Amino acid sequence: NAGVTQTPKFQVLKTGQSMTLQCAQDMNHNSMYWYRQDPGMGLRLIYYSASEGTTDKGEVPNGYNVSRLNKREFSLRLESAAPSQTSVYFCASRIQGPNYNEQFFGPGTRLTVL
Amino acid sequence: AQSVTQLDSQVPVFEEAPVELRCNYSSSVSVYLFWYVQYPNQGLQLLLKYLSGSTLVKGINGFEAEFNKSQTSFHLRKPSVHISDTAEYFCAVSHGSSNTGKLIFGQGTTLQVKP
Repeated sequence: NAGVTQTPKFQVLKTGQSMTLQCAQDMNHNSMYWYRQDPGMGLRLIYYSASEGTTDKGEVPNGYNVSRLNKREFSLRLESAAPSQTSVYFCASRIQGPNYNEQFFGPGTRLTVL
Repeated sequence: AQSVTQLDSQVPVFEEAPVELRCNYSSSVSVYLFWYVQYPNQGLQLLLKYLSGSTLVKGINGFEAEFNKSQTSFHLRKPSVHISDTAEYFCAVSHGSSNTGKLIFGQGTTLQVKP
């Protein structure tokens, strides 16, 4: 199993450009999440998808859109990138059950907006 | 609303010494608690979790944490650290009865193990 994979690993954009960050998981998890990590702020939830066909806003959704393409894939789109969106983006998926409840994280995408 | 505070941004410690990384949370409902570790330029890896039951939780790599409901704390401990434990550590909380699994993270603590 590859776990959670993210593409690309690195990206540099100019202000106003758009791009889509891709995430896929092969663990048959229902829930998937997008976080951003900024120094001194931990990880903050951007959007999540509790199950296939549903998406909801997290703590910092402004400037982003998401698509839950199918059970495996959950993409994050920046329509018009801004320097404030320079960050490291992590995708995660969650396994849930009576004795376990944890998120598995991808390796991250490091995005710089000039 | 839930929140998590990690009381130390950096913790320097010598190899083979004990360490405690502190985490306090605020929540008006039952919670699940987690500690994650992030090695440089990598994603997050789960160290341990508290869902219910025993308040002393053991995780990977010799780490353990104790859930203290009265003090709303979930401090992480290791009796003897190694150089390889140098990393950033995140405490996180989720709503115990929610189906969304959303995590609220603390700001992170950088553990620096010196030889």
